[in-house]
Amino acid sequence: AAGVIQSPRHLIKEKRETATLKCYPIPRHDTVYWYQQGPGQDPQFLISFYEKMQSDKGSIPDRFSAQQFSDYHSELNMSSLELGDSALYFCASSMRTVLNTEAFFGQGTRLTVV
Amino acid sequence: AQTVTQSQPEMSVQEAETVTLSCTYDTSESDYYLFWYKQPPSRQMILVIRQEAYKQQNATENRFSVNFQKAAKSFSLKISDSQLGDAAMYFCAYRSLQGGSEKLVFGKGTKLTVNP
Repeated sequence: AAGVIQSPRHLIKEKRETATLKCYPIPRHDTVYWYQQGPGQDPQFLISFYEKMQSDKGSIPDRFSAQQFSDYHSELNMSSLELGDSALYFCASSMRTVLNTEAFFGQGTRLTVV
Repeated sequence: AQTVTQSQPEMSVQEAETVTLSCTYDTSESDYYLFWYKQPPSRQMILVIRQEAYKQQNATENRFSVNFQKAAKSFSLKISDSQLGDAAMYFCAYRSLQGGSEKLVFGKGTKLTVNP
């Protein structure tokens, strides 16, 4: 079965650079979530989209932005990167119209800021 | 806002024995979902088990079962016949059913070690 695809899997950037993380949800899933997991931390919710519209917002810095495109894939854009942005970034997708479906996670993008 | 608390940062169990991981949560909602996720060293988030709050019957998935006490807002995970492959970080998570708020709220996690 198709899973959530995230790219790239690993990314190394320098401070003040920009990074773009991509997420391809499971086909027919209409909701995408982004989470940030720092070293030794629990995942923290950043932002979510339902049918290409932002549906909820968590602790996402102003330097970050995200969107969901017409093909339902989503991109997380991170600018002016800081050392503290080094983390594992998860994308998850679900089908809101079917309430009993859980969120399926991608394998994550490991971002290292040096 | 909902909160999830896992009071055991680390737990250990002997192979083939049983271990219980604790989780409590705080919410004013009456209907919601609760989950246990496993995160092995690969850091992939793997769903272990889920519980719908409106169901009184505790969820079971093979060697994994939960003890859901809605009034006490408690949701513990029991792993029976522990295997070496069960060693991982375990996160308890809450999911609201309110439209636009279906994000997962995670606890801080419990690191489970399985001793041979």
